[in-house]
Amino acid sequence: AQTVTQSQPEMSVQEAETVTLSCTYDTSESDYYLFWYKQPPSRQMILVIRQEAYKQQNATENRFSVNFQKAAKSFSLKISDSQLGDAAMYFCAYRSASGGSQGNLIFGKGTKLSVKP
Amino acid sequence: EAGVVQSPRYKIIEKKQPVAFWCNPISGHNTLYWYLQNLGQGPELLIRYENEEAVDDSQLPKDRFSAERLKGVDSTLKIQPAELGDSAVYLCASSLGRLREQFFGPGTRLTVL
Repeated sequence: AQTVTQSQPEMSVQEAETVTLSCTYDTSESDYYLFWYKQPPSRQMILVIRQEAYKQQNATENRFSVNFQKAAKSFSLKISDSQLGDAAMYFCAYRSASGGSQGNLIFGKGTKLSVKP
Repeated sequence: EAGVVQSPRYKIIEKKQPVAFWCNPISGHNTLYWYLQNLGQGPELLIRYENEEAVDDSQLPKDRFSAERLKGVDSTLKIQPAELGDSAVYLCASSLGRLREQFFGPGTRLTVL
C-alpha cells in the first residue's frame, strides 16, 4: 500500500521569505501523480500544484515550485515570496495512475504553515 | 460556476442519533468522493462514485455508514447510530473523471456529544 509522510507538523516563515515543506512517499508503482493541497481555516481544499511521475521537469505555478526526486521518493514544496494569505495547512497527496484505486488520493498528515508579518 | 456544495456546514448531535450529510457536485462531474478528515490528519477516502455506482467503498464502515447517489448527481452520506469517534470533518469532492482534478467542498464538521 502507498503511504505519504510529512515530517514537519508546523513551519513558520517571515513574510516575503522562502519556505520549503517536505514530503516523502512510499510506492512500488512507477506511474503516479503527486499533489500539494492547501487547506485554509475555511476547510476548503485547494490544489496548489501537481507533478506527473513520468515527467522529470519539476512543476512550477507562480510562487510555488516542487523538487521532485523520484529515486528518493521525495516531493517538497517551495513557496517563494511568502504572503500572509499562504498561511494554511498544506497536504501532500499521492494518486495511482493504474489499477482499481486510480483517482483515489492518499494524503499525508499535513504541515501547518504560519506566515509572520 | 458554482463549486461543490455541502450542507450542513456544522452539525452537533448526541451519540446514538442518526445524522446525514448532503453534497451537490459541480455540474457535469460524474465522479464523486466522500472523505473523512479527523482532527490533525489528512483526509481519508470513504467512498467513490462513478455516476450512480459506488466503485470503491472499501473504507466505508458499513455497519453504521451508508451512502447513496441517486441519479448520479447529489449524494447523501448517513451515519446511524453516531458514535463519539465519528466527530470529524466530512469532505465531498467531485471531478470530471477519476484521473481529473478533484474539487472539494467546504466540508461538514460533525460533533458527537
